[in-house]
Amino acid sequence: GNSVTQMEGPVTLSEEAFLTINCTYTATGYPSLFWYVQYPGEGLQLLLKATKADDKGSNKGFEATYRKETTSFHLEKGSVQVSDSAVYFCALSESGGYQKVTFGIGTKLQVIP
Amino acid sequence: EAGVTQSPTHLIKTRGQQATLRCSPISGHTSVYWYQQALGLGLQFLLWYDEGEERNRGNFPPRFSGRQFPNYSSELNVNALELEDSALYLCASRGPGTGTDTQYFGPGTRLTVL
Repeated sequence: GNSVTQMEGPVTLSEEAFLTINCTYTATGYPSLFWYVQYPGEGLQLLLKATKADDKGSNKGFEATYRKETTSFHLEKGSVQVSDSAVYFCALSESGGYQKVTFGIGTKLQVIP
Repeated sequence: EAGVTQSPTHLIKTRGQQATLRCSPISGHTSVYWYQQALGLGLQFLLWYDEGEERNRGNFPPRFSGRQFPNYSSELNVNALELEDSALYLCASRGPGTGTDTQYFGPGTRLTVL
């Protein structure tokens, strides 16, 4: 079946540091890939997505590139802020009609001033 | 455009009771998904409803059930509550058709079973 693997964290960074959260996946077919963010006490918000190989999703300074050859979708940001502290989930959506989303375990990011 | 809404925000029940959680999707969305986010377990897929029908369910016992109404809102029922049912329950909606693959999440209902 499908699976998503991401580092569990927590990841602690100083403000303005470079962020990378690794995500690799296993899937049949050609899934769409997502990063969701969950701020404390809230539900999940879509951060960015990519629907085919070599697509780059970007939003709020975050970027991730769909790498089919390495089955990866790593999340990066050049300069993190305290407000980026949250849990980040990598996810994939199966192609076709079912549309079940498989989530990674989530990576907690803490940014300190 | 209003997002996905869920009610109640918090729900406290005791073992053996029943819980009912509600979800209203984004206007125009016909699919509703339910997920359980228990501490330390990540998000687990529970149920998927589309056009009023249950399309698929995750690896949960039958005491987890639900339905989707003609206006596409949905209800999740959990019978015979157990302590380990304590979790954040998230609802997500998706637009019609196979070309739209993004799910949009509500804020969740925090269920506490005592």
